[in-house]
Amino acid sequence: GEDVEQSLFLSVREGDSSVINCTYTDSSSTYLYWYKQEPGAGLQLLTYIFSNMDMKQDQRLTVLLNKKDKHLSLRIADTQTGDSAIYFCALTGGYQKVTFGIGTKLQVIP
Amino acid sequence: EPEVTQTPSHQVTQMGQEVILRCVPISNHLYFYWYRQILGQKVEFLVSFYNNEISEKSEIFDDQFSVERPDGSNFTLKIRSTKLEDSAMYFCASSEAAGETQYFGPGTRLLVL
Repeated sequence: GEDVEQSLFLSVREGDSSVINCTYTDSSSTYLYWYKQEPGAGLQLLTYIFSNMDMKQDQRLTVLLNKKDKHLSLRIADTQTGDSAIYFCALTGGYQKVTFGIGTKLQVIP
Repeated sequence: EPEVTQTPSHQVTQMGQEVILRCVPISNHLYFYWYRQILGQKVEFLVSFYNNEISEKSEIFDDQFSVERPDGSNFTLKIRSTKLEDSAMYFCASSEAAGETQYFGPGTRLLVL
């Protein structure tokens, strides 16, 4: 089945850029997502990219997709303390379910 | 902005009891889903529901689980006889169509004692 891998932890200084990486195995993925989960809260859809795109930019967020390497990344420019959260890489393939990675905990140091 | 809502936010129950988790999907969405997240683990797909029937389910979704759309707005997950290992955060999601972006609710944290 599909597998989505992410590193568990990332620490950055406030004002720096954060880059969260994700690799996946399902080459038939159609939508690839980044969800954000703050402590005790639900899953907030941050952004998504279609599989026929290489890049998507949305304000401070840049998503890069390398389909050949099955690699997805999320860059957060000018990272703020409010960006501290767990970031989940997720994707849908030919089926209806969303497959999630374990989540990367982003710690922003003031 | 339309959003998925879930009730209750927290539920504590005794092992062997039945629980019903409730969700109100986004109104024009046609596909509904349940996921769960055991503490420290990945978010896992449980079931998808369309046109008043289950369209896909995972191995986790055994006979103890059932889903229902009792009226035009609610979508429920029932666990008939809860086990300790059912303790998790349960997320409801909805989408306009199959394969489209799924929007998640805030979750119900279930604790089975």
